[in-house]
Amino acid sequence: TQLLEQSPQFLSIQEGENLTVYCNSSSVFSSLQWYRQEPGEGPVLLVTVVTGGEVKKLKRLTFQFGDARKDSSLHITAAQPGDTGLYLCAGSQDNYGQNFVFGPGTRLSVLP
Amino acid sequence: KAGVTQTPRYLIKTRGQQVTLSCSPISGHRSVSWYQQTPGQGLQFLFEYFSETQRNKGNFPGRFSGRQFSNSRSEMNVSTLELGDSALYLCASSLPATSGRQETQYFGPGTRLLVL
Repeated sequence: TQLLEQSPQFLSIQEGENLTVYCNSSSVFSSLQWYRQEPGEGPVLLVTVVTGGEVKKLKRLTFQFGDARKDSSLHITAAQPGDTGLYLCAGSQDNYGQNFVFGPGTRLSVLP
Repeated sequence: KAGVTQTPRYLIKTRGQQVTLSCSPISGHRSVSWYQQTPGQGLQFLFEYFSETQRNKGNFPGRFSGRQFSNSRSEMNVSTLELGDSALYLCASSLPATSGRQETQYFGPGTRLLVL
């Protein structure tokens, strides 16, 4: 049983479309991170959220941490082929922000 | 600043053999973590080393072990390989975390291990 669930598992969209991917858990996290992993590479950190209800924006990407700190969403506006990759969420339950557990990921494909 | 490097990038072994993977962290980083990534289980934490000491350990059998050297470079070893050990093994380095402060993990490109 995964501590973190991500949905959808796969997503294929056309360039210019908007999309939202979700990261859900029944557990509370002290912090939650989103990563993007491209083929042949390791994950790259996009954002860390630590406060319930927090919203962070990174260009066309908007991240939200749920009020109860159990879930998070990533919204991409006007997706581009360069957004293609595996999006992973990772949650930490300790005060040092370590010991992250990862979700299974959402594999996004943006077609030109 | 050079990123995290892992060697080798690809490896093929047979069941029963053992393997050693190497990770060189970003200069100045003293914490090194290892992860196993498979299509079925996703990214799972193996262990973390800081100042040559294993600080945290995931839920993997004793066949998986690691160590860290005084220059913060780390190795992980898998003995008596099984088919299910085929995976991408990722190393991540970071500055040591302090209470209330998030330290970013920087991942290497991984070593892809295939066990036949």
